[in-house]
Amino acid sequence: DAKTTQPDSMESTEGETVHLPCSHATISGNEYIYWYRQVPLQGPEYVTHGLQQNTTNSMAFLAIASDRKSSTLILTHVSLRDAAVYHCILRVVQQGTGSKLSFGKGAKLTVSP
Amino acid sequence: EAAVTQSPRSKVAVTGGKVTLSCHQTNNHDYMYWYRQDTGHGLRLIHYSYVADSTEKGDIPDGYKASRPSQENFSLILELASLSQTAVYFCASSDGTGGCAETLYFGSGTRLTVL
Repeated sequence: DAKTTQPDSMESTEGETVHLPCSHATISGNEYIYWYRQVPLQGPEYVTHGLQQNTTNSMAFLAIASDRKSSTLILTHVSLRDAAVYHCILRVVQQGTGSKLSFGKGAKLTVSP
Repeated sequence: EAAVTQSPRSKVAVTGGKVTLSCHQTNNHDYMYWYRQDTGHGLRLIHYSYVADSTEKGDIPDGYKASRPSQENFSLILELASLSQTAVYFCASSDGTGGCAETLYFGSGTRLTVL
């Protein structure tokens, strides 16, 4: 899987909208963009994924640049529960091969009251 | 209720001793994985399995063995524990379809300290 670059940390305040950037300049055409988050003392949790189009679910909005070289995870009305390390990961999707993801350090999001 | 459970939650082991970490999943998933996470770092894949009685090496398998006696259970074995194996170990499962919607479901981790 190709490499992604994220800031080490970001800060926000409860109620704000947070934009978490991820750069993946060498992404291949068959690589999907995945986001997981990890709170202390827990394993990572799936947030969302996308290929080319922007996607949204109950947890977040994923904005993908038209050239796919970057993406942004957007969290609206953040709460203290959103404080976590957010991992941006690329994965080549192949049927019947499982999901052997490689996790980097991710970006630590701090949320203040 | 948690679908991937790990035991023990924490363990202290002596150098050279044998350590077994256990993982149980109720997701009916074919794939199971063992990762390790060192403080301030990401997760690295140690071993994985896509069917009972078979295991595969991940990115950092040296010093570890794995066992998948059933679809639900996956163990990580450190035959001769070393100081460098002090870390948090995470087990995960996935349905194995390989499709874009396939996601990993993680347990809460086992904190292993080797003294």
